[in-house]
Order: sequence, then structure tokens, then C-alpha cells
Amino acid sequence: EVQLVESGGGLVQPGGSLRLSCAASGFTISDHYMDWVRQAPGKGLEWVGRTRNKAKSYTTEYAASVKGRFTISRDDSKNSVYLQMDSLKTEDTAVYYCARAEPGGSRGSVYYYNMGVWGKGTTVTVSS
Amino acid sequence: DIQMTQSPSSLSASVGDRVTITCRASQGISNFLAWFQQKPGKAPRSLIYAAFTLQSGVPSKFSGSGSGTDFTLTISSLQPEDFATYYCQQYKGYPLTFGGGTKVEIK
Repeated sequence: EVQLVESGGGLVQPGGSLRLSCAASGFTISDHYMDWVRQAPGKGLEWVGRTRNKAKSYTTEYAASVKGRFTISRDDSKNSVYLQMDSLKTEDTAVYYCARAEPGGSRGSVYYYNMGVWGKGTTVTVSS
Repeated sequence: DIQMTQSPSSLSASVGDRVTITCRASQGISNFLAWFQQKPGKAPRSLIYAAFTLQSGVPSKFSGSGSGTDFTLTISSLQPEDFATYYCQQYKGYPLTFGGGTKVEIK
């Protein structure tokens, strides 16, 4: 069974750091693009960032709101993806989800990836 | 950035009703459009990708259509388990962006 389990959430002060983990099972993450998505309390979904697969050299993309502060990495030996969050702000308070991105169509030789499988999320609270 | 606008933001419907939710992109995204369902306190669930392709295990009462800038999600006969919030999302360009959501409530 394909499964994603996030961990590492908690309470942190503004300006602090936190590292979230996403452990995958039932598939090999090196073959897949992986996303992080967050949801502030009572709000909608916001994409945070993406790491591409091994074939695409694990390159990354980020939302403007987190670029320069958040870093996505992965450890294929542990079949896990990570979200390092630095210089945290109160507006980063949210439930953070990881998701497996899957091919959702193509145009010529370019493939586009949508979020197919989601974890249950981990809660991050940034407050003094 | 590509802006995604959903309408309505909420609706009330009865069991058995046919429900349609619309999603408009600020620029053409071909058919690189996904729909998600989210119930309170739960993670989102992927329903549809590529505008009309059902994810494995999603019942056929859900259907999607559209291309370019205008898309719809239809639930053919609303059941109690379908009361939830629905989001559209484009994956044509970065940053990936979601619509604001449509909350489907019981009338």
C-alpha cells in the first residue's frame, strides 16, 4: 500500500527553525516528484514546493512566500523527503502535507505532474 | 502566476442533487487541471486529473470537463459522504496554484 507519513511538526518561536519529514512506503521516492503543501487554520491549500525525481537531478521549485527560507531535500536510502524551514514567521502556521506527484499529461516531450497521493499532515505552529 | 477562481465559494444542496462547481484560470492551462476533495480535519483526496481523468477508486458520479481556462466538476447525485470542500488546482506552471475552494453543505 502506498503511504506517506509526515512528522516533525510542533510549536516554534518566530525566527526559529523546524525540519519536517515525510516517510514513504509502498513505492520508491527516487522515481517520483514530491510536493509539500500547507493549509493555514481555516484557509485553503497553498503549494509550498517540489523536488523532482532522480532522472531530473532532484531539482526543486518553491513558492515565493517560502523561497530562501525553506529547503526541500530527500534521502533515498531512507525513502524520505524533508522540509527544512528557517526564519519562521507566524504566517507559516499551518498543517503541512507531503504528496506524491504523478504524471498528469504531457505536451510533446514535456510531462506535467499533479498531486496523486497525500499524507495526513503535520501541524506547525509559529508563536511566541 | 496563474490565478484560479472557483465559484461558488459555498453551496447548499440536498441528497440526490446534481451539483456543478466551476473553476477559471487566469490564463490558458490546456487540460492540466486537478480536483481535490477535503473533509474537515482530513487530508485532501485527489479526485480528477488532466481535467477529466478519474483517479483510481473514485466513483463515476464525479466527472470533470473543460480545457483552456474554464473547467467544471460535477457530482451527478450528491450523497452524504460527498459533503466536503472541493478545490481545483493547475499544474501547468510554477507556482502551482489552487482555487479558493467550494464548500458543499447539506440543505
